[in-house]
Amino acid sequence: QKEVEQNSGPLSVPEGAIASLNCTYSDRGSQSFFWYRQYSGKSPELIMSIYSNGDKEDGRFTAQLNKASQYVSLLIRDSQPSDSATYLCAVITSGTYKYIFGTGTRLKVLA
Amino acid sequence: GAGVSQSPSNKVTEKGKDVELRCDPISGHTALYWYRQSLGQGLEFLIYFQGNSAPDKSGLPSDRFSAERTGGSVSTLTIQRTQQEDSAVYLCASSLLRIGNTEAFFGQGTRLTVV
Repeated sequence: QKEVEQNSGPLSVPEGAIASLNCTYSDRGSQSFFWYRQYSGKSPELIMSIYSNGDKEDGRFTAQLNKASQYVSLLIRDSQPSDSATYLCAVITSGTYKYIFGTGTRLKVLA
Repeated sequence: GAGVSQSPSNKVTEKGKDVELRCDPISGHTALYWYRQSLGQGLEFLIYFQGNSAPDKSGLPSDRFSAERTGGSVSTLTIQRTQQEDSAVYLCASSLLRIGNTEAFFGQGTRLTVV
């Protein structure tokens, strides 16, 4: 079992819709969770961090964390074509300060 | 500096040559990470520094790979006797790594091509 799992996609949504990206992790002791956006040929860019159960909103982005179910999600409201990218979920696992990344979900927002 | 800076941006080298990749982290960030991303693949952890020491170097693929960090700042990743499978984008990230603030920020990467 991979430590951090994401559906590779592509996830296609129409412009203006809500895009929902999901991530599960295997280490129940993980405490820190992150979403990164990576455009083709570019380096990952941090979108959100979340440390506590529940929702965290920042503009059009909402991160949701459920430690009991070991999943973290990212909602993008009013999706724009410029949101088309690969979204990477990252987790700091317990006992280490190493960031473990999922393989990413490719999002396509259709104009 | 304002962000994580990596140099060179691109490096083409001949098989068997040694290369050095440099990372200059965000000022004040104590933690520094090296990752590798092959074409179309995910991020592969290589090594992590806290200050000048490397508590976790478990991701280094072979003894041809080494890294050091001096003055709690700049880090250099060295690949000796490069092989074609070393071709990838090498990414550096830094973090304050404090409780409640463990966000890591990436540099633009070094694209290494071994011919």
